[in-house]
Amino acid sequence: AQTVTQSQPEMSVQEAETVTLSCTYDTSENNYYLFWYKQPPSRQMILVIRQEAYKQQNATENRFSVNFQKAAKSFSLKISDSQLGDTAMYFCAFMSGNQGGKLIFGQGTELSVKP
Amino acid sequence: GAGVSQSPSNKVTEKGKDVELRCDPISGHTALYWYRQSLGQGLEFLIYFQGNSAPDKSGLPSDRFSAERTGGSVSTLTIQRTQQEDSAVYLCASSLAIAMNTEAFFGQGTRLTVV
Repeated sequence: AQTVTQSQPEMSVQEAETVTLSCTYDTSENNYYLFWYKQPPSRQMILVIRQEAYKQQNATENRFSVNFQKAAKSFSLKISDSQLGDTAMYFCAFMSGNQGGKLIFGQGTELSVKP
Repeated sequence: GAGVSQSPSNKVTEKGKDVELRCDPISGHTALYWYRQSLGQGLEFLIYFQGNSAPDKSGLPSDRFSAERTGGSVSTLTIQRTQQEDSAVYLCASSLAIAMNTEAFFGQGTRLTVV
């Protein structure tokens, strides 16, 4: 069975600084996607960034980028120029190629951006 | 609709009562997912629908939980004889299809409190 582990329950960063959130996963598959979701107090999960496992190039979306290390099964999220609006829970998630779109989530990291 | 809509937003019920949680997916989305988020935890997969059928019910925690989807649209998650451990946020998501490259859009969830 696949598992996703986020080892940092809480993190904080100063506004405008850079922060990296860690995620590791376990799978025997080769075909999968990885995701980072943001959950603000409104509870609605918002997709931040995703990575296809077959792509070697790390995904980037504006201030958000990932460091995907397939052999190490590591998928960290880097947030550059942190903004107050980035304060939220961040979840790493795994999607297998043959399980119908089901997402397997990590436990989450609560990020606080301080002014 | 513009997004995934869930109702009610909050529900307080007495132990032993039945509850129904509703999810209205984005129009045209054939795939629909239910997740449960217990306090301070990540999201736990419950069930997904492809159209009106549920190929994967593996995440339902007990036979007190059931879900249906009619007309390929609205879905209802029913919890019978609620217990205090059922207290959680229940999140629904929908996507265009069951495929890894389609984004899942989440609703704002129903916070269920069993007293």
